[in-house]
Amino acid sequence: GENVGLHLPTLSVQEGDNSIINCAYSNSASDYFIWYKQESGKGPQFIIDIRSNMDKRQGQRVTVLLNKTVKHLSLQIAATQPGDSAVYFCAEITDSSYKLIFGSGTRLLVRP
Amino acid sequence: DADVTQTPRNRITKTGKRIMLECSQTKGHDRMYWYRQDPGLGLRLIYYSFDVKDINKGEISDGYSVSRQAQAKFSLSLESAIPNQTALYFCATSTPRGAGETQYFGPGTRLLVL
Repeated sequence: GENVGLHLPTLSVQEGDNSIINCAYSNSASDYFIWYKQESGKGPQFIIDIRSNMDKRQGQRVTVLLNKTVKHLSLQIAATQPGDSAVYFCAEITDSSYKLIFGSGTRLLVRP
Repeated sequence: DADVTQTPRNRITKTGKRIMLECSQTKGHDRMYWYRQDPGLGLRLIYYSFDVKDINKGEISDGYSVSRQAQAKFSLSLESAIPNQTALYFCATSTPRGAGETQYFGPGTRLLVL
Protein backbone atom coordinates (compact mmCIF):
# COMPACT_ATOMS: atom_id res chain seq x y z
CA GLY A 1 0.00 0.00 0.00
CA GLU A 2 1.02 3.61 -0.23
CA ASN A 3 2.15 3.68 3.39
CA VAL A 4 4.75 1.00 2.75
CA GLY A 5 8.11 2.65 2.36
CA LEU A 6 7.67 5.53 4.80
CA HIS A 7 10.91 6.00 6.74
CA LEU A 8 12.63 3.26 4.73
CA PRO A 9 16.14 3.64 3.32
CA THR A 10 15.97 4.54 -0.34
CA LEU A 11 18.23 3.58 -3.21
CA SER A 12 17.93 5.74 -6.33
CA VAL A 13 19.47 4.43 -9.55
CA GLN A 14 19.50 5.42 -13.19
CA GLU A 15 17.56 3.21 -15.57
CA GLY A 16 19.95 0.70 -17.11
CA ASP A 17 22.40 0.75 -14.22
CA ASN A 18 22.88 -2.15 -11.83
CA SER A 19 21.33 -2.01 -8.36
CA ILE A 20 22.62 -3.53 -5.16
CA ILE A 21 20.31 -3.80 -2.17
CA ASN A 22 21.80 -4.91 1.11
CA CYS A 23 20.41 -6.66 4.15
CA ALA A 24 21.90 -7.59 7.49
CA TYR A 25 20.17 -10.57 9.06
CA SER A 26 19.97 -11.29 12.72
CA ASN A 27 20.18 -15.00 13.41
CA SER A 28 23.34 -16.96 12.67
CA ALA A 29 21.23 -20.15 12.80
CA SER A 30 19.04 -19.06 9.86
CA ASP A 31 19.45 -21.47 6.99
CA TYR A 32 17.20 -20.12 4.26
CA PHE A 33 16.83 -16.62 2.88
CA ILE A 34 14.38 -15.01 0.50
CA TRP A 35 14.16 -11.69 -1.28
CA TYR A 36 10.70 -10.24 -1.85
CA LYS A 37 9.55 -7.31 -3.97
CA GLN A 38 6.54 -5.27 -2.90
CA GLU A 39 4.89 -2.84 -5.25
CA SER A 40 2.46 -0.23 -4.06
CA GLY A 41 -0.92 -1.72 -3.24
CA LYS A 42 0.26 -5.32 -3.55
CA GLY A 43 1.53 -8.10 -1.36
CA PRO A 44 5.17 -9.17 -1.35
CA GLN A 45 6.24 -11.20 -4.38
CA PHE A 46 8.96 -13.84 -4.31
CA ILE A 47 12.09 -12.89 -6.28
CA ILE A 48 14.83 -15.34 -5.39
CA ASP A 49 15.96 -17.54 -2.52
CA ILE A 50 19.20 -19.04 -1.27
CA ARG A 51 20.13 -21.70 1.26
CA SER A 52 22.89 -21.28 3.80
CA ASN A 53 25.07 -23.89 2.11
CA MET A 54 25.42 -21.56 -0.88
CA ASP A 55 27.03 -18.14 -1.23
CA LYS A 56 25.59 -17.11 -4.58
CA ARG A 57 22.54 -17.83 -6.65
CA GLN A 58 21.49 -16.31 -9.94
CA GLY A 59 18.10 -15.80 -11.49
CA GLN A 60 16.86 -13.80 -14.40
CA ARG A 61 18.55 -10.38 -14.03
CA VAL A 62 18.91 -10.94 -10.27
CA THR A 63 21.68 -12.39 -8.15
CA VAL A 64 21.65 -13.03 -4.43
CA LEU A 65 24.89 -13.14 -2.45
CA LEU A 66 25.16 -14.55 1.05
CA ASN A 67 28.02 -13.86 3.44
CA LYS A 68 27.43 -15.91 6.55
CA THR A 69 30.58 -14.67 8.25
CA VAL A 70 29.16 -11.17 8.61
CA LYS A 71 25.48 -12.18 8.34
CA HIS A 72 24.96 -10.16 5.20
CA LEU A 73 22.71 -10.70 2.22
CA SER A 74 22.57 -8.69 -0.97
CA LEU A 75 20.34 -8.55 -4.02
CA GLN A 76 21.84 -7.42 -7.29
CA ILE A 77 19.56 -6.35 -10.12
CA ALA A 78 21.16 -6.02 -13.53
CA ALA A 79 20.08 -3.35 -16.01
CA THR A 80 17.52 -1.87 -13.65
CA GLN A 81 14.19 -0.99 -15.25
CA PRO A 82 11.37 1.34 -14.18
CA GLY A 83 9.27 -1.71 -13.32
CA ASP A 84 11.84 -2.63 -10.70
CA SER A 85 10.79 0.35 -8.59
CA ALA A 86 9.38 -1.11 -5.38
CA VAL A 87 10.21 -1.89 -1.78
CA TYR A 88 12.50 -4.90 -1.37
CA PHE A 89 12.54 -7.08 1.73
CA CYS A 90 14.93 -9.78 2.77
CA ALA A 91 13.59 -12.57 4.96
CA GLU A 92 15.27 -15.32 6.93
CA ILE A 93 14.05 -18.59 8.34
CA THR A 94 15.50 -20.95 10.85
CA ASP A 95 14.96 -24.67 10.47
CA SER A 96 13.93 -25.11 14.08
CA SER A 97 11.38 -22.29 14.13
CA TYR A 98 9.70 -22.45 10.71
CA LYS A 99 9.02 -18.73 11.04
CA LEU A 100 9.96 -16.31 8.30
CA ILE A 101 11.46 -13.13 9.78
CA PHE A 102 11.40 -10.07 7.56
CA GLY A 103 13.84 -7.20 7.44
CA SER A 104 12.51 -3.65 7.38
CA GLY A 105 12.94 -3.12 3.64
CA THR A 106 14.64 -0.83 1.13
CA ARG A 107 12.85 1.33 -1.40
CA LEU A 108 14.32 1.23 -4.91
CA LEU A 109 13.60 4.21 -7.16
CA VAL A 110 14.56 3.99 -10.81
CA ARG A 111 15.19 7.32 -12.57
CA PRO A 112 14.30 7.40 -16.28
CA ASP B 1 -1.46 -13.20 -6.51
CA ALA B 2 -4.94 -14.43 -7.49
CA ASP B 3 -4.24 -17.80 -5.87
CA VAL B 4 -4.42 -16.16 -2.45
CA THR B 5 -7.37 -13.84 -1.90
CA GLN B 6 -8.25 -11.64 1.03
CA THR B 7 -11.52 -10.00 1.99
CA PRO B 8 -12.21 -7.24 2.58
CA ARG B 9 -9.48 -5.26 0.83
CA ASN B 10 -10.20 -2.18 2.89
CA ARG B 11 -11.98 -1.79 6.20
CA ILE B 12 -12.71 1.09 8.54
CA THR B 13 -13.94 0.25 12.00
CA LYS B 14 -14.31 1.84 15.39
CA THR B 15 -12.47 1.14 18.61
CA GLY B 16 -13.99 -1.79 20.47
CA LYS B 17 -15.60 -3.44 17.46
CA ARG B 18 -14.96 -7.05 16.56
CA ILE B 19 -13.91 -7.65 12.99
CA MET B 20 -12.81 -10.58 10.90
CA LEU B 21 -10.43 -10.66 7.98
CA GLU B 22 -10.68 -13.64 5.69
CA CYS B 23 -8.15 -15.44 3.54
CA SER B 24 -8.72 -18.14 0.94
CA GLN B 25 -6.22 -19.98 -1.22
CA THR B 26 -6.43 -22.25 -4.22
CA LYS B 27 -2.78 -23.30 -4.17
CA GLY B 28 -3.45 -26.44 -2.17
CA HIS B 29 -0.88 -25.48 0.45
CA ASP B 30 -1.12 -26.79 3.98
CA ARG B 31 0.59 -23.86 5.65
CA MET B 32 -1.03 -20.48 6.09
CA TYR B 33 0.09 -17.30 7.85
CA TRP B 34 -1.16 -13.91 8.94
CA TYR B 35 1.19 -10.91 9.01
CA ARG B 36 0.79 -7.25 9.72
CA GLN B 37 2.82 -4.53 8.09
CA ASP B 38 3.46 -1.10 9.58
CA PRO B 39 5.44 1.68 7.88
CA GLY B 40 9.18 1.11 8.24
CA LEU B 41 8.79 -2.13 10.17
CA GLY B 42 8.49 -4.75 7.48
CA LEU B 43 6.14 -7.69 8.08
CA ARG B 44 5.57 -9.25 11.46
CA LEU B 45 4.00 -12.65 12.02
CA ILE B 46 0.74 -12.74 13.96
CA TYR B 47 -0.34 -16.40 13.71
CA TYR B 48 0.43 -19.40 11.57
CA SER B 49 -1.12 -22.77 10.89
CA PHE B 50 0.45 -25.89 9.40
CA ASP B 51 -2.86 -27.70 8.92
CA VAL B 52 -6.49 -27.48 9.97
CA LYS B 53 -5.74 -28.80 13.45
CA ASP B 54 -2.71 -26.65 14.06
CA ILE B 55 -2.64 -23.03 15.30
CA ASN B 56 0.50 -21.27 16.50
CA LYS B 57 1.22 -17.82 17.85
CA GLY B 58 3.66 -15.59 16.06
CA GLU B 59 5.57 -12.53 17.26
CA ILE B 60 2.57 -10.30 17.93
CA SER B 61 -0.51 -12.43 18.63
CA ASP B 62 -1.92 -10.36 21.52
CA GLY B 63 -5.28 -8.86 20.58
CA TYR B 64 -5.79 -11.27 17.68
CA SER B 65 -7.26 -14.73 17.19
CA VAL B 66 -7.45 -17.04 14.20
CA SER B 67 -9.53 -19.87 12.86
CA ARG B 68 -8.48 -22.47 10.30
CA GLN B 69 -11.85 -23.56 8.99
CA ALA B 70 -10.47 -25.69 6.18
CA GLN B 71 -7.21 -26.26 4.38
CA ALA B 72 -8.05 -23.38 2.06
CA LYS B 73 -9.36 -20.87 4.62
CA PHE B 74 -7.66 -19.02 7.44
CA SER B 75 -9.39 -16.08 9.12
CA LEU B 76 -8.00 -13.45 11.48
CA SER B 77 -10.16 -11.78 14.12
CA LEU B 78 -9.65 -8.68 16.16
CA GLU B 79 -11.83 -9.25 19.21
CA SER B 80 -11.91 -5.61 20.25
CA ALA B 81 -10.16 -3.39 17.76
CA ILE B 82 -7.89 -0.59 18.94
CA PRO B 83 -6.27 2.23 16.95
CA ASN B 84 -2.76 0.78 17.07
CA GLN B 85 -4.06 -2.20 15.10
CA THR B 86 -4.36 0.11 12.13
CA ALA B 87 -2.09 -1.55 9.59
CA LEU B 88 -1.84 -3.57 6.41
CA TYR B 89 -2.63 -7.24 6.94
CA PHE B 90 -1.33 -9.97 4.68
CA CYS B 91 -2.21 -13.62 4.45
CA ALA B 92 0.34 -16.04 3.03
CA THR B 93 0.62 -19.73 2.18
CA SER B 94 3.54 -22.08 1.73
CA THR B 95 4.42 -25.66 0.96
CA PRO B 96 6.06 -27.85 3.61
CA ARG B 97 9.78 -27.51 4.17
CA GLY B 98 11.69 -29.72 1.79
CA ALA B 99 9.33 -28.82 -0.99
CA GLY B 100 10.38 -25.17 -0.96
CA GLU B 101 9.60 -22.73 1.79
CA THR B 102 8.52 -19.87 -0.44
CA GLN B 103 5.58 -18.01 0.98
CA TYR B 104 2.97 -16.63 -1.40
CA PHE B 105 1.15 -13.53 -0.29
CA GLY B 106 -2.34 -12.24 -0.83
CA PRO B 107 -3.03 -8.66 -1.92
CA GLY B 108 -3.50 -7.39 1.63
CA THR B 109 -6.25 -5.81 3.70
CA ARG B 110 -5.91 -2.21 4.76
CA LEU B 111 -7.48 -1.74 8.19
CA LEU B 112 -8.16 1.60 9.84
CA VAL B 113 -9.34 1.63 13.45
CA LEU B 114 -10.79 4.96 14.54
